[in-house]
Amino acid sequence: DAMVIQNPRYQVTQFGKPVTLSCSQTLNHNVMYWYQQKSSQAPKLLFHYYDKDFNNEADTPDNFQSRRPNTSFCFLDIRSPGLGDAAMYLCATSEPGQANTEAFFGQGTRLTVV
Amino acid sequence: EDQVTQSPEALRLQEGESSSLNCSYTVSGLRGLFWYRQDPGKGPEFLFTLYSAGEEKEKERLKATLTKKESFLHITAPKPEDSATYLCAVQTGYKLSFGAGTTVTVRA
Repeated sequence: DAMVIQNPRYQVTQFGKPVTLSCSQTLNHNVMYWYQQKSSQAPKLLFHYYDKDFNNEADTPDNFQSRRPNTSFCFLDIRSPGLGDAAMYLCATSEPGQANTEAFFGQGTRLTVV
Repeated sequence: EDQVTQSPEALRLQEGESSSLNCSYTVSGLRGLFWYRQDPGKGPEFLFTLYSAGEEKEKERLKATLTKKESFLHITAPKPEDSATYLCAVQTGYKLSFGAGTTVTVRA
């Protein structure tokens, strides 16, 4: 029944080594989000897509990139991870055209940088 | 810039001791206010959506209310399983902005 699936749940990467996190959805929602959440902090929006229209937050570092090859899949690429990029990365989807516009979240990927 | 502030940061309750969490917001063009529950190491789980001032939603021991400047999440007679971090988020356009959350601990 999982509707937003993130892989992997846990990812360990080396300092400076590129890493990709993936998200898939079975809801057919138009909007997909990537959030970064550090311990005891609010989830911070990195990007969102409305369909293929990409929206980058002004303070998202250039080190973070995203791809959405189709409606179901979205990827977060971190080109050169630093120690400060260790966090939980959350993917979410929503469908603004529906009566209920809440976002559904995946279980997250915990990224560790060593 | 949209701002969402939650208080208190942490709340320790005895089982059965009712309390309220606050979410105050400053946004332009609010489309909706959302409450989520987040357990440690997991993604947020949707609880409620509120769209207009005066609106109320209830689910089991939780009740959410909305005014033009803030929202409250009331927890009535909490149980230990209600222990979690409760996040508030506001939607403007397609963007969701979150508060830092209130971590609730309910002791048996």
